[in-house]
Amino acid sequence: EVVLTQSPVTLSLSPGDTATLSCRASQSVNSYLAWFQVKPGQAPRLLIYDASNRATGIPARFSGSGSGTDFTLTISSLEPEDFAVYYCQQRYNWPPLTFGGGTKVEIK
Amino acid sequence: EVQLLESGGGFVQPGGSLRLSCAASGFTFTNYAMSWVRQAPGKGLEWVSAITGRGDRIFYADSVKGHFTISRDNSRNTLFLQMNSLRAEDTALYYCTKAGVDTNMIFDSWGQGTLVTVSS
Repeated sequence: EVVLTQSPVTLSLSPGDTATLSCRASQSVNSYLAWFQVKPGQAPRLLIYDASNRATGIPARFSGSGSGTDFTLTISSLEPEDFAVYYCQQRYNWPPLTFGGGTKVEIK
Repeated sequence: EVQLLESGGGFVQPGGSLRLSCAASGFTFTNYAMSWVRQAPGKGLEWVSAITGRGDRIFYADSVKGHFTISRDNSRNTLFLQMNSLRAEDTALYYCTKAGVDTNMIFDSWGQGTLVTVSS
């Protein structure tokens, strides 16, 4: 099973700051890594798939990078609606499909 | 617009059963794999099960294998999850997801979830 480790667990930032979230895989997942945003009471939203491809309708301030075992989600100039929990997920070596433990981006 | 509407959640005692449904619209249902993902209270996301568009390939997480069954009715654009022998650790918000063509498992659309609580 591919274990995904996200860091930090919590990120305290202000609107306008840049958020840098990390996801590390226990073995290579090639570029088959996605990022999701989860807010309470809302459907999770796909942000990035295959490491660097923005999903439909996702603003350009969200960008993804990486391959193999190390991946980064960058949110440039945080908007108030960006404060949420973010998860990475791999689809390279499955079943099982696996998610990271999440990073909470909170208002400082 | 893709819409996924889950239903069937509720309160059940340990050992009981529930059947979740997910009504899909806004896309050609039979062309896409579908999946269930859950989130226990205060925990992260956990993949549960997936099924291909024609229902010919099915996959489960080890934690539910043998007591959950995924299925779909393409004539009614509906995905199901039959949950038997429920345990306290199955308590979670269960999301239905559209999972891409064939088995590419890109979760590009999600429902809002249905809550399952297993408790005595």
